[in-house]
Amino acid sequence: DQQVKQNSPSLSVQEGRISILNCDYTNSMFDYFLWYKKYPAEGPTFLISISSIKDKNEDGRFTVFLNKSAKHLSLHIVPSQPGDSAVYFCAARTLFPYGGSQGNLIFGKGTKLSVKP
Amino acid sequence: KAGVTQTPRYLIKTRGQQVTLSCSPISGHRSVSWYQQTPGQGLQFLFEYFSETQRNKGNFPGRFSGRQFSNSRSEMNVSTLELGDSALYLCASSLGQDPNYGYTFGSGTRLTVV
Repeated sequence: DQQVKQNSPSLSVQEGRISILNCDYTNSMFDYFLWYKKYPAEGPTFLISISSIKDKNEDGRFTVFLNKSAKHLSLHIVPSQPGDSAVYFCAARTLFPYGGSQGNLIFGKGTKLSVKP
Repeated sequence: KAGVTQTPRYLIKTRGQQVTLSCSPISGHRSVSWYQQTPGQGLQFLFEYFSETQRNKGNFPGRFSGRQFSNSRSEMNVSTLELGDSALYLCASSLGQDPNYGYTFGSGTRLTVV
């Protein structure tokens, strides 16, 4: 079963407008949520994270919102730029009680964002 | 500052063979995790190493194994390769437990099993 779901495989947005990428999860024990961007032939690049005790985190053009009651998070990109065109992955972290453990990330299957000039 | 380095970038192996992939984390990062990316399953966690000890393991068969050396470099090994093992294998390193640091991924090793 998929614990982290990104139900939209693709999204197309006009340059300058807002891009909203959505993610749903099922496990209420996740303690952190992260967003990654991935270009072809490269590894994912960390964008922004949010703790499960917060409902919003902002970093420049990127804002992540968390709705715990709905088990839903979203990434807002404002304004969208052509260079933002990539696959965006939502990930959730489960923390294991081992000293030094970083926990493991459970990823959604990604949403391909296309920003048109 | 060098990023996460994975070698080789591409690999073609025959069914039944074994393969070893290498990952050098960012200097100072002591945690190394491995992920498998396939079109059907997306990114799936394999295992995590910290201070030469496996801390965490995903749901993969025992043919998948790994280790970490004292300099934090890590290797993963897949024995008795199957066609379904064809994937992009990604290594990620992390500075600390604060996830605001994120995990820095390498560019991956593309393994093709024929």
